[in-house]
Amino acid sequence: AQSVTQLDSQVPVFEEAPVELRCNYSSSVSVYLFWYVQYPNQGLQLLLKYLSGSTLVKGINGFEAEFNKSQTSFHLRKPSVHISDTAEYFCAVSYPPGGSYIPTFGRGTSLIVHP
Amino acid sequence: NAGVTQTPKFQVLKTGQSMTLQCAQDMNHEYMSWYRQDPGMGLRLIHYSVGAGITDQGEVPNGYNVSRSTTEDFPLRLLSAAPSQTSVYFCASSSRIQEETQYFGPGTRLLVL
Repeated sequence: AQSVTQLDSQVPVFEEAPVELRCNYSSSVSVYLFWYVQYPNQGLQLLLKYLSGSTLVKGINGFEAEFNKSQTSFHLRKPSVHISDTAEYFCAVSYPPGGSYIPTFGRGTSLIVHP
Repeated sequence: NAGVTQTPKFQVLKTGQSMTLQCAQDMNHEYMSWYRQDPGMGLRLIHYSVGAGITDQGEVPNGYNVSRSTTEDFPLRLLSAAPSQTSVYFCASSSRIQEETQYFGPGTRLLVL
């Protein structure tokens, strides 16, 4: 079974600074990888996903993530954050078609952007 | 398209009461799921459905029932509420041709006293 570890529960950062949110997964087979964002008192929204192909994936709001198969990681990055990026971020993994589509979520990382 | 809608937004229950959390989607998605979100625990799967008339248990199904009589609706029933069921509940849906991408509702915040 797959599992997801988000290494930081909270990441404080100043506005306009770069940020990296870390995610590692464990699986014995190929997986799909996702980052979701949850703004305060809202549901989850897909930021980006990796299914296959290029290991660098670009998403909405200037975020990107890189799939590293050898390190089983899928870290999320943004070169310059805004106050409005303050939110909870969830990494998730699921199996490609033929396996279970239901994603397994990490415990979340709270990104706190300070002015 | 309204997407995925959930009602109510907030609910307070007393221990032992029952209630139904409603979830509906207007995207003709085959797959629907219920999650609960607790601080520091991420999202945990309660029940899911791959089509009308088909449901299955997730990671934390105890104390919850579901049914799927139509493609659009997937209600979650709490049979006898307990304080441990205080949580935020999210419904999600996805299509069979793009099953990996889930669309989430805004959530229902439940407090059980």
